Amino acid sequence: DVKVTQSSRYLVKRTGEKVFLECVQDMDHENMFWYRQDPGLGLRLIYFSYDVKMKEKGDIPEGYSVSREKKERFSLILESASTNQTSMYLCASRQGAGNTIYFGEGSWLTVV
Amino acid sequence: SQQGEEDPQALSIQEGENATMNCSYKTSINNLQWYRQNSGRGLVHLILIRSNEREKHSGRLRVTLDTSKKSSSLLITASRAADTASYFCATDNSGYSTLTFGKGTMLLVSP
Repeated sequence: DVKVTQSSRYLVKRTGEKVFLECVQDMDHENMFWYRQDPGLGLRLIYFSYDVKMKEKGDIPEGYSVSREKKERFSLILESASTNQTSMYLCASRQGAGNTIYFGEGSWLTVV
Repeated sequence: SQQGEEDPQALSIQEGENATMNCSYKTSINNLQWYRQNSGRGLVHLILIRSNEREKHSGRLRVTLDTSKKSSSLLITASRAADTASYFCATDNSGYSTLTFGKGTMLLVSP
């Protein structure tokens, strides 16, 4: 079975902290994605990676960075967390363009 | 950026009834996908329909695609309470594409 695992389901962080959200997929997929989901706004793409060490900005990259050192792992980094980054973060992966995207269970981040 | 827009935003029906959700988009696509999300969980893929297909079935799900109208519909027949969830359409275009999601339709199926 396809598996996308997000390491933390619920996190509470303080304003200004550096936050790492980790995502691992076991399907040898080329593409990986980070979305955030907020009520009334749907899913918005933060960053995606189409291969190891490659990354592209999505629609809302400000305040975020990413790292993909290995094919199976895609990390989202909040350099200095702010309260407006309180959200649900969804990691996803797929083999390539035109294919199904598989999602993790999501990480609920609260910044206080 | 291109985005699918679902309609209605919310739908409330009784068990056994059919549920129809619509999706409109703005530019050409390679395929369109439908996803389901239970409250507080990740999204689960339901069905993918390619731009050269007009209709696709999977169990109680029926998806249609009209590329001339840039629209798609998802029909769930004989709904069950367990179908209660949010449903999203997502459009996929070419190149280093990503899926672009709409805001979803929240479906409530009452017993």
